[in-house]
Amino acid sequence: AQSVTQPDIHITVSEGASLELRCNYSYGATPYLFWYVQSPGQGLQLLLKYFSGDTLVQGIKGFEAEFKRSQSSFNLRKPSVHWSDAAEYFCAVDYNDYKLSFGAGTTVTVRA
Amino acid sequence: DGGITQSPKYLFRKEGQNVTLSCEQNLNHDAMYWYRQDPGQGLRLIYYSQIVNDFQKGDIAEGYSVSREKKESFPLTVTSAQKNPTAFYLCASSDLLAGVRDNEQFFGPGTRLTVL
Repeated sequence: AQSVTQPDIHITVSEGASLELRCNYSYGATPYLFWYVQSPGQGLQLLLKYFSGDTLVQGIKGFEAEFKRSQSSFNLRKPSVHWSDAAEYFCAVDYNDYKLSFGAGTTVTVRA
Repeated sequence: DGGITQSPKYLFRKEGQNVTLSCEQNLNHDAMYWYRQDPGQGLRLIYYSQIVNDFQKGDIAEGYSVSREKKESFPLTVTSAQKNPTAFYLCASSDLLAGVRDNEQFFGPGTRLTVL
């Protein structure tokens, strides 16, 4: 079965430190990959997406993600976290059917 | 401004009652989606529609119904058959351009439904 796994339920990081959120998917071919962010009680906002080409993609708010086909991964990174980055982050995958499958999400807490 | 609106933001319902959640978009998108979000489970697809007057069940359609009479509107009815309806409901839309795989979904602000 096709699935999206975010292994980390909750991550706490100090302001100014780097952040990496993991995402793994199960699929034979290359899917279409997305990272969304959600503030409490709000809708989702797209951070970045990958369809093809350069495996390192840049997004909004200083985020980037790297697609690694050999590891079926699409990890999200930010070099220096700001307090406003505290939110829940979702990895999502389109398995070529115009629908998105979401991971369970990773909650990021930023400490001063 | 273009976007997706959902109303109401908070909704309370007594057990045994049907309730309809509104979703409207002015992005001229072809496809619309309904998701349910529960803590620790991410988003799960309830129904989706890629064209007016047509829609398909998602992964958790039981106890829900939808209609797509207009391109810009995709209301979701939570029926009394839904055993555990208390959740956060998100509506989304996307464009389906022929030959372009840009399936970015845009999300509304959500409706929190509580069954009393």
